[in-house]
Amino acid sequence: GAVVSQHPSWVICKSGTSVKIECRSLDFQATTMFWYRQFPKQSLMLMATSNEGSKATYEQGVEKDKFLINHASLTLSTLTVTSAHPEDSSFYICSARDFGPPVGYTFGSGTRLTVV
Amino acid sequence: AQKVTQAQTEISVVEKEDVTLDCVYETRDTTYYLFWYKQPPSGELVFLIRRNSFDEQNEISGRYSWNFQKSTSSFNFTITASQVVDSAVYFCALSDPTNQAGTALIFGKGTTLSVSS
Repeated sequence: GAVVSQHPSWVICKSGTSVKIECRSLDFQATTMFWYRQFPKQSLMLMATSNEGSKATYEQGVEKDKFLINHASLTLSTLTVTSAHPEDSSFYICSARDFGPPVGYTFGSGTRLTVV
Repeated sequence: AQKVTQAQTEISVVEKEDVTLDCVYETRDTTYYLFWYKQPPSGELVFLIRRNSFDEQNEISGRYSWNFQKSTSSFNFTITASQVVDSAVYFCALSDPTNQAGTALIFGKGTTLSVSS
């Protein structure tokens, strides 16, 4: 089945530094990828939708200059958290739309970011 | 706008009890998909089921069963004879597959299920 590989699984960084998270679709072409953020004991909140070769679409309230998304190929999308602060500490998870059949969504394993 | 409501925040049961997790959705679309995912403490989302809006047949998979009722916009999930390993957060989600741009899944707030021995 479709697989999305997400790296790193966890990362600890110092406040003010940048962190890059990668998501690769291993056996299918992901034209569209979604990035979610999940705070402890909360639901997955959509941050942005990235389409290969074009600018990402950000949800309301998500700072596009802080969360840089690049989807340069059909198999790779990256999320860079720039100038990270402790409040950015969260679980980030990517998802690719698999047009099937049947239609489905494949999720990466998630990245737990801790900013100290 | 699309919306998914999981009114039960936390449920605690004792092993072997049956438990039902509720999910109510809102959408103006006639074609859509509903999903259930399990999220254990590791964080990875585990796919449980997908149901399209034209298929109202209930489904059973081992101890898991799902009841889809379009008339009440509900897609409830029942675990029969619960086990400790069922302890996790369960999410119900909704998507619109007709949007070729690739509409994201909209998640409910999740229900935390705790099964004690």
